Amino acid sequence: AQKVTQAQTEISVVEKEDVTLDCVYETRDTTYYLFWYKQPPSGELVFLIRRNSFDEQNEISGRYSWNFQKSTSSFNFTITASQVVDSAVYFCALKGPGYSTLTFGKGTMLLVSP
Amino acid sequence: DVKVTQSSRYLVKRTGEKVFLECVQDMDHENMFWYRQDPGLGLRLIYFSYDVKMKEKGDIPEGYSVSREKKERFSLILESASTNQTSMYLCASSATGTVNTEAFFGQGTRLTVV
Repeated sequence: AQKVTQAQTEISVVEKEDVTLDCVYETRDTTYYLFWYKQPPSGELVFLIRRNSFDEQNEISGRYSWNFQKSTSSFNFTITASQVVDSAVYFCALKGPGYSTLTFGKGTMLLVSP
Repeated sequence: DVKVTQSSRYLVKRTGEKVFLECVQDMDHENMFWYRQDPGLGLRLIYFSYDVKMKEKGDIPEGYSVSREKKERFSLILESASTNQTSMYLCASSATGTVNTEAFFGQGTRLTVV
């Protein structure tokens, strides 16, 4: 069975602070895919990144960066110099190979205040 | 730009009514999904479909059914709405394969059953 744990329910930071959202996953599959989604107050889940299990390279996209470590089954997400527009609920998700479905964590609500 | 469109943003229905939630995608994706999202419970999979006329139960299918007569359209049906089905409903679609496995989501339908 697959499982995704986002231990941080809610994080509050002040603008320009760096913040890291944690994601720990469990799976028996050797091939799998990890994702991060952002859900702003409008409600739509926005896809941020996909990472394949065979690619442990970390990735940076502007102020966003992701750290994938198979040894600790973690896929953490860091926002550098946070902004008010980053306020949202962030979901980490896991998918196995083939026709398997997405398993989501319960989400972390990030509040960035001015 | 990829697009998943849900027919309503907000719905209010009475207990016992039959409710249809419609979802259309324009990406020619094989897979479509219905989730419900509740505070503290995250996203839970109700039903999914890998192909036209095919459907599979997710984690919480009780009280729901689905229909997929055309590849681009996936409908969620509440046969007899109950107050415990008040929730946010999210539709998603994804391609089959080992590349571009991410799911794209609609804007959500917030359903209130009174």
